[in-house]
Amino acid sequence: AQSVTQPDIHITVSEGASLELRCNYSYGATPYLFWYVQSPGQGLQLLLKYFSGDTLVQGIKGFEAEFKRSQSSFNLRKPSVHWSDAAEYFCAYMDSNYQLIWGAGTKLIIKP
Amino acid sequence: ETGVTQSPTHLIKTRGQQVTLRCSSQSGHNTVSWYQQALGQGPQFIFQYYREEENGRGNFPPRFSGLQFPNYSSELNVNALELDDSALYLCASSSTGRGDFQETQYFGPGTRLLVL
Repeated sequence: AQSVTQPDIHITVSEGASLELRCNYSYGATPYLFWYVQSPGQGLQLLLKYFSGDTLVQGIKGFEAEFKRSQSSFNLRKPSVHWSDAAEYFCAYMDSNYQLIWGAGTKLIIKP
Repeated sequence: ETGVTQSPTHLIKTRGQQVTLRCSSQSGHNTVSWYQQALGQGPQFIFQYYREEENGRGNFPPRFSGLQFPNYSSELNVNALELDDSALYLCASSSTGRGDFQETQYFGPGTRLLVL
């Protein structure tokens, strides 16, 4: 079955350190991939998306993600995290029925 | 530009009752999708409405139903509530329906439903 896996339930990073959140997908055709962030009491906000072309995608808030077809991965990165980045991050892809299939999320904790 | 709004923010119901959740789409958007997000999990697609017609459905029973109105606002109705229906219900709007992968979905803050 088609699925999205986020292997890390939570990650703790020191403020100012770099960040990488992992996402793997199981889908045969060209995937349409997304990263969303969810802060407490707020809706999901799109960080970035990949449809085709350059495999390194730039998003908002200084985030980027790299699509690697050979590894079926779409990992999210940020060179230097800020305390305000503490939130839950979701990877998703859009299936052939134009529906978003979501990972279980990774909770990011920032150490001062 | 008004974002996606949902009401109510929180709701407590008892098993067997019925509930209606409401969503007001972002201005100019004609497509709305509903998701259920259980605690500690990612959202699960319930269904999508495009121009007042159901445009796709996830793996949810028929007691989950919806409506989209001419102004593109939407309702999610759940009948015969079960304990497992306790979750955050998210609404998302976008400006086109099927066929446009590149259209971003904009999410509301959600309605948290607790079934006792």
